[in-house]
Amino acid sequence: DQQVKQNSPSLSVQEGRISILNCDYTNSMFDYFLWYKKYPAEGPTFLISISSIKDKNEDGRFTVFLNKSAKHLSLHIVPSQPGDSAVYFCAASASGGIDNFNKFYFGSGTKLNVKP
Amino acid sequence: DARVTQTPRDKVTEMGQEVTMRCQPILGHNTVFWYRQTMMQGLELLAYFRNRAPLDDSGMPKDRFSAEMPDATLATLKIQPSEPRDSAVYFCASGLVTPPDYFSYNEQFFGPGTRLTVL
Repeated sequence: DQQVKQNSPSLSVQEGRISILNCDYTNSMFDYFLWYKKYPAEGPTFLISISSIKDKNEDGRFTVFLNKSAKHLSLHIVPSQPGDSAVYFCAASASGGIDNFNKFYFGSGTKLNVKP
Repeated sequence: DARVTQTPRDKVTEMGQEVTMRCQPILGHNTVFWYRQTMMQGLELLAYFRNRAPLDDSGMPKDRFSAEMPDATLATLKIQPSEPRDSAVYFCASGLVTPPDYFSYNEQFFGPGTRLTVL
């Protein structure tokens, strides 16, 4: 059973507008969350992260919001650019012991298409 | 330019054949992960090594999959015998965790993946 879910397999947005990608999780022990971006024929690359002690983290055009009570996080891209077109994976981890650190559970990904 | 390398990039094989995928983690990294990407499940963790020791391989079908790290510069994932349902993209990732500060989360750096097709 997937502990991290991205229920929208795809999203299409006009250049310059906001892109909002969503992610839900079921494990209340998760306390660290990341977003990865993946271009075709390449491996995923780290984009932005957030710890459960925060509810927002911003890095340039990218902002991640965390709602712990709803077990929901979202990635906002403003403004969206055609180069942002990629698959976005959300991932989560639980600090349940030394052996669990850096073990991430990934969602199934959302393919973002930013139209010029 | 430090990066994770994987070979082969593409592999087409017939059902029942043995498949070996190789990964060279970034020099100095002490954690290695194997993931499988499928359309339905997204990125599934298959195995996790720290300092070459396997810490978690619960995501791996034990009867046909095996993962090893013969040395710090090589990780292998083997499927024997392969089946059509194993067709997927397999990613290797590496990272660095430094004791005693295991309580910091560190980025995982992914390789380009091996696209496996089992006919």
